[in-house]
Amino acid sequence: KNQVEQSPQSLIILEGKNCTLQCNYTVSPFSNLRWYKQDTGRGPVSLTIMTFSENTKSNGRYTATLDADTKQSSLHITASQLSDSASYICVVSLNAGNMLTFGGGTRLMVKP
Amino acid sequence: DVKVTQSSRYLVKRTGEKVFLECVQDMDHENMFWYRQDPGLGLRLIYFSYDVKMKEKGDIPEGYSVSREKKERFSLILESASTNQTSMYLCASSLGRATGELFFGEGSRLTVL
Repeated sequence: KNQVEQSPQSLIILEGKNCTLQCNYTVSPFSNLRWYKQDTGRGPVSLTIMTFSENTKSNGRYTATLDADTKQSSLHITASQLSDSASYICVVSLNAGNMLTFGGGTRLMVKP
Repeated sequence: DVKVTQSSRYLVKRTGEKVFLECVQDMDHENMFWYRQDPGLGLRLIYFSYDVKMKEKGDIPEGYSVSREKKERFSLILESASTNQTSMYLCASSLGRATGELFFGEGSRLTVL
């Protein structure tokens, strides 16, 4: 069964600190993996996409990694800001059809 | 920028009422989706559409129907709302068929009393 597991479910950090969110998947055949950020009461917005051949990709203070062998991805947030408080959702695409598998998300709260 | 607009941010309906949720996208995307999002369950796909007048069931289609009469508009219909359909409903569109980025609307929070 295709699954995407995210950890932790929730996380509280102080402003300025770094954090890492994890995404493990069993989706096969793998096409790509996206990280979305969802602010409270809003729709998710794509942060980054990782394809099979990519190991690391940065988008400002966000850095995503992918290990296709172990089927793991991480999202590292550097020097967190209050505006980083949101849910972060990992979405894996199958290399066939229009199948997306969503993780349950990690809810991040950044405190001053 | 792609804009996906959902007609209502908040709705309160009574059990048995018919509910229409409208979604419009302005980027000529072929694919449109309806998801519901519940705490602890993540996003679950209700229906999707690859083209006008085409629709396909997602993971949880029971109790819902959809309509896509025009390329830019995708409607979700609850024929007879029930309390277990209280949820956040998210519409999304994408350009590519398989792995394109999803562009989401702001969501419609439906409460069924």
